Amino acid sequence: GESVGLHLPTLSVQEGDNSIINCAYSNSASDYFIWYKQESGKGPQFIIDIRSNMDKRQGQRVTVLLNKTVKHLSLQIAATQPGDSAVYFCAVVYYGGSQGNLIFGKGTKLSVKP
Amino acid sequence: EAGVAQSPRYKIIEKRQSVAFWCNPISGHATLYWYQQILGQGPKLLIQFQNNGVVDDSQLPKDRFSAERLKGVDSTLKIQPAKLEDSAVYLCASSHGGGWANTEAFFGQGTRLTVV
Repeated sequence: GESVGLHLPTLSVQEGDNSIINCAYSNSASDYFIWYKQESGKGPQFIIDIRSNMDKRQGQRVTVLLNKTVKHLSLQIAATQPGDSAVYFCAVVYYGGSQGNLIFGKGTKLSVKP
Repeated sequence: EAGVAQSPRYKIIEKRQSVAFWCNPISGHATLYWYQQILGQGPKLLIQFQNNGVVDDSQLPKDRFSAERLKGVDSTLKIQPAKLEDSAVYLCASSHGGGWANTEAFFGQGTRLTVV
């Protein structure tokens, strides 16, 4: 199977600083990874994804890094803003079945101090 | 485009009662998912539909949970009878189809269920 682990349940950063949220997964066969942002009272919202044939992907203010050797994934948010306050989940697609299951980690709650 | 619609937003029931949740996916999305999110945890897949057929229901507690998507559009998730541990947010998501690695899935706001 696949399990997705959490490094830190909470992270507090100062506005303007960079944030790094980490995640670990267990199955080396997993080949697609997604970061979601979930604000209070809302469903998860797609932020950025990465496939296993890449080790880095950049979006607007966000970067995802994938280290397949140690099965580690991280999300970097540049110049963190109050609107970035939310719970961030890493999710891993595990192809135990035909279509693949999306396995979520427990999430990291990011708090941004003004 | 309109997002995934879910209702009700909140529901409080007593244990052993029944409850049903409704989901209307984004128009044209063939794949529909129901997730359970217990407080402080990540969402866990309950069931996945492709059009009106079930693709994966391996984690659905079938003794009390049921779901259907009769016409391949709207879906309902039912719990009968509810237990205290069913208290959670039930999320519906939809995508064009083809599995997670091929299309982005969009989540609804969820239904928060409290069983007392």
